[in-house]
Amino acid sequence: GAVVSQHPSRVICKSGTSVKIECRSLDFQATTMFWYRQFPKQSLMLMATSNEGSKATYEQGVEKDKFLINHASLTLSTLTVTSAHPEDSSFYICSAVRDRDYGYTFGSGTRLTVV
Amino acid sequence: QKEVEQNSGPLSVPEGAIASLNCTYSDRGSQSFFWYRQYSGKSPELIMFIYSNGDKEDGRFTAQLNKASQYVSLLIRDSQPSDSATYLCAVIRAGANNLFFGTGTRLTVIP
Repeated sequence: GAVVSQHPSRVICKSGTSVKIECRSLDFQATTMFWYRQFPKQSLMLMATSNEGSKATYEQGVEKDKFLINHASLTLSTLTVTSAHPEDSSFYICSAVRDRDYGYTFGSGTRLTVV
Repeated sequence: QKEVEQNSGPLSVPEGAIASLNCTYSDRGSQSFFWYRQYSGKSPELIMFIYSNGDKEDGRFTAQLNKASQYVSLLIRDSQPSDSATYLCAVIRAGANNLFFGTGTRLTVIP
């Protein structure tokens, strides 16, 4: 299969603090992972492409200094939301692709609430 | 023009009927097409992907791709209440490796 694990599933943090979200490919190696954000009743918007061993590629309008991405191994990418504010509250979802025959698999998502 | 367009719905069908979901895309060079199902509060789960023109069947689901018309659809036969969800169409554009999502179509299957 192609299983992607994401933790935590839910986090509440105070405004100004940082939150780290982990995304792991459990049964395959992923040189590339993707981070999406989804606001209520909206579709998924790509935030950045995480590349193992190199810098992430951020989409236009996404602050790279606020959303830190680290892809230190072939099975783990992390997204750190720094100095979180209430407007950062959203559903964050990671994705990885094993190969063409499996399509893109998503993690279970992280519901971030900043209070 | 949006990259990927879907009718937001809601689409309501009675149990046992065929649900037809449609999607159009703007980049003629797109090569890969995906249908995901997303339940409220959950992450998307892959239903099917299709790369070639024509039909692809998997159980109760059939994906149809027409590259000339830049159109991809998903048919759900014998719809069940558990199929009630938002269905997302996603496309990989030429030269890219990430998914572009439509806004999704909300489907309700009425028992």
